[in-house]
Amino acid sequence: QVQLVESGGGVVQPGRSLRLSCAASGFTFSSYGMHWVRQAPGKGLEWVAVIWYDGSTKHYAASVKGRSTISRDSSTNTLFLQMNSLRADDTAVYYCAREILVVAATGLRRPYFDLWGQGTLVTVSS
Amino acid sequence: DIQLTQSPSSLSASVGDRVTITCRASQIISTYLNWYQQKPGKAPKLLIYAASSLQSGVPSRFSGSGSGTDFTLTISSLQPEDFAIYYCQQTFRTPPFTFGGGTKLEIK
Repeated sequence: QVQLVESGGGVVQPGRSLRLSCAASGFTFSSYGMHWVRQAPGKGLEWVAVIWYDGSTKHYAASVKGRSTISRDSSTNTLFLQMNSLRADDTAVYYCAREILVVAATGLRRPYFDLWGQGTLVTVSS
Repeated sequence: DIQLTQSPSSLSASVGDRVTITCRASQIISTYLNWYQQKPGKAPKLLIYAASSLQSGVPSRFSGSGSGTDFTLTISSLQPEDFAIYYCQQTFRTPPFTFGGGTKLEIK
């Protein structure tokens, strides 16, 4: 069935690294842009990063830029988020999400997120 | 970055009530505004995209409106399963694709 399944979360010490994975199934992974969104405990949603369908373009939130790398492997239908120099404020549930592009009033194609994984918890603590 | 302000931050209502949640953008975003519902311990679920388009499978009691800077999500007749947190999200410009702070809808 169509789904996204994250893995790779856990408890990690400040300053260390972690790589999250998101396994896609049931759809043509290579046709979709993919995002990471996180949610700190008891807080709202924070967009983290996007990678275009072909991997050609990536964007990051200021809070993770320079410390994180989004990537994808279409041979295994997997999305990744490599996070380095982790800090306590990186503690969150990390979701991957699939984007659909829609053309709205201005004629620009912009995304919405129609499919989400169940999330993986990253805890940064000594 | 574009900021989104949701109001109210929390809301108590009864089954059968009509409820409206507002999302205001810090600058014009045309109709590039999406709404999500999140229940405890679950991933967000898309309700409305492009300000007013209902996602497939979402009940018709949910509706969205607005353009420019002011947007609303309306639930015409609250059902027990609608008690959740609702988030708006803008995707107008190149990232970041910011979310609003959320509106917690509770049972009165």
